[in-house]
Amino acid sequence: DAKTTQPTSMDCAEGRAANLPCNHSTISGNEYVYWYRQIHSQGPQYIIHGLKNNETNEMASLIITEDRKSSTLILPHATLRDTAVYYCIVRVGGGNQGGKLIFGQGTELSVKP
Amino acid sequence: GAVVSQHPSWVICKSGTSVKIECRSLDFQATTMFWYRQFPKQSLMLMATSNEGSKATYEQGVEKDKFLINHASLTLSTLTVTSAHPEDSSFYICSAGLAGGPNEQFFGPGTRLTVL
Repeated sequence: DAKTTQPTSMDCAEGRAANLPCNHSTISGNEYVYWYRQIHSQGPQYIIHGLKNNETNEMASLIITEDRKSSTLILPHATLRDTAVYYCIVRVGGGNQGGKLIFGQGTELSVKP
Repeated sequence: GAVVSQHPSWVICKSGTSVKIECRSLDFQATTMFWYRQFPKQSLMLMATSNEGSKATYEQGVEKDKFLINHASLTLSTLTVTSAHPEDSSFYICSAGLAGGPNEQFFGPGTRLTVL
């Protein structure tokens, strides 16, 4: 699976959009981009995933560049409860629910009042 | 939907004893479950992939005889830490994939193991 690079930490003001970048320059054509987050001392929570088109759900939006070498997770209106470590992971998807996830160090997002 | 539970949520044991952690998919069937370990201020490290009805596949550097994994049904996988020592103290997390569903995996809440 391709390696990802994320900033170690970011701050965001409550109510503003949080934009979390991820670089995955070695991504293969059949690899999806997944985002998870982990609130302190809890299990990770799935946020969103995509292949090449931008995706949006009730939690966030995922913007993938045309060359697929980077992506941005957008939390449109960050709240204090969004404070967590956010992980960007690339792996083979396509219905392979047995595909393992390899976690990097992630971005520690702090949402401040 | 897609809830994964773990039991116990925390456990304290003496050095040399064995500890069993259960991972259950409550409202879906999971042919594959994964076990992770997380030390303080570190990321999750994949330990093994557990497939229902077959032997688990362990990641490099993970001792299969120390971390016994059993996946006896489509809703239950267990991790047994045998002869636990203080260095095994960690946060153990399981995840399960939704068979036939979307691609995401669902994670349990984790089990905090402290070995005295």
